[in-house]
Amino acid sequence: GAGVSQSPRYKVAKRGQDVALRCDPISGHVSLFWYQQALGQGPEFLTYFQNEAQLDKSGLPSDRFFAERPEGSVSTLKIQRTQQEDSAVYLCASSDAQTGGRGYTFGSGTRLTVV
Amino acid sequence: QQQVKQSPQSLIVQKGGISIINCAYENTAFDYFPWYQQFPGKGPALLIAIRPDVSEKKEGRFTISFNKSAKQFSLHIMDSQPGDSATYFCAAMIPETNNNDMRFGAGTRLTVKP
Repeated sequence: GAGVSQSPRYKVAKRGQDVALRCDPISGHVSLFWYQQALGQGPEFLTYFQNEAQLDKSGLPSDRFFAERPEGSVSTLKIQRTQQEDSAVYLCASSDAQTGGRGYTFGSGTRLTVV
Repeated sequence: QQQVKQSPQSLIVQKGGISIINCAYENTAFDYFPWYQQFPGKGPALLIAIRPDVSEKKEGRFTISFNKSAKQFSLHIMDSQPGDSATYFCAAMIPETNNNDMRFGAGTRLTVKP
């Protein structure tokens, strides 16, 4: 597609529920990033993929967070046993550079609300 | 763990005025400094970026000023327009690391009054 597509746009989850957030990067983009953006804050790095390899997951806040990109294109961020503090916008970005990711393109995000 | 500090948190400017947003960083390994513009309900979009080998970069009404010794950089929006009303994020990156992740400031909500 022309841009980075994320779904769903909005997700309301009950505390303790598992959720899965999907990211469709720009076709051919090697690098894929997940960021978490709390209300009124800048995006915070969660994890990075180069093709199907997850090269950095240092930003994942707990072992309840898991991301995958099995075929090097679509990625899924899964959050198990959601907590209220998980409420945020989850942004996905992709880049066609293996290093120096100048061409970051962000999706519109998934707004997760845990009630 | 904000590695990039941004100010002010919010800014109100009259149409035609100059908007100035400031950022400071600590990590001298950062060598790419982009600014992103974000409208409500949208992801951040790259506006303009600079590398530390230059002190200024201008693109249309947008200028980045960079002070390497002070580890500070700023965004100037000349002739500000109501359509510029958005949240602006500065960021910093170490592009040659394995992850290429960017560190963002907390954002500045700009309102340009007509």
